[in-house]
Amino acid sequence: QVQLQESDPGPVKPSETLSLNCRVSGGSVSSYFWSWIRQPPGKGLEWIGHVYYTGNTKYNPSLKRRVTAAVDTSKNQVSLTLTSVTAADTAVYYCARGSGPWFDPWGQGTLVTVSS
Amino acid sequence: QSVLTQPPSASGTPGQRVTIACSGSSSNIGRNAAIWYQQLPGTAPKVLIYSDNQRPSGVPDRFSGSKSGTSASLAISGLQSEDEADYYCAAWDDSLDCAVFGGGTKLTVL
Repeated sequence: QVQLQESDPGPVKPSETLSLNCRVSGGSVSSYFWSWIRQPPGKGLEWIGHVYYTGNTKYNPSLKRRVTAAVDTSKNQVSLTLTSVTAADTAVYYCARGSGPWFDPWGQGTLVTVSS
Repeated sequence: QSVLTQPPSASGTPGQRVTIACSGSSSNIGRNAAIWYQQLPGTAPKVLIYSDNQRPSGVPDRFSGSKSGTSASLAISGLQSEDEADYYCAAWDDSLDCAVFGGGTKLTVL
């Protein structure tokens, strides 16, 4: 069965760029949409955007100017880049299969803390 | 402020029936399917209901979904202690052209 594993970016400082990877095992990234979703501590879920295996993307309008999602079929992984981060970007970041709103499966999530 | 509106909390005693509402608009629930997720503490969300009222295999039939107009509902019958979790509704919003979630409802089993 397909399993997803997000990378740990380590500490991120304000104004820096956050880079995350999501390794897909047990299946191929091809022929699917892959989404990124985040959840600030103690808060609800926010869809960041999705990328099709062909590279086509769609983003949440609230984050569109700062987000880039991509697929690397050779590495069977998905990536997310978020520029100019602030404390408001502190959250657990999940990758999941699907274009939305049906996401399945999900990765376990990785906590990203933005702090100076 | 979430696009979809849910009550922040709900509660019930074992064996009871609990309903969680999700209010949207004509650009999301009113024209697109609603999804319900269950998030147990410290874990990623899991699909509970899709296409308004369909259960993935493995989800007990104690969980059911319904939709009327721009609102969706999740009902849990025969409440059990392991149902204590956060529940989220979701839908695609055609005006925003993105997936949207409710703010989540924390269910407590008393």
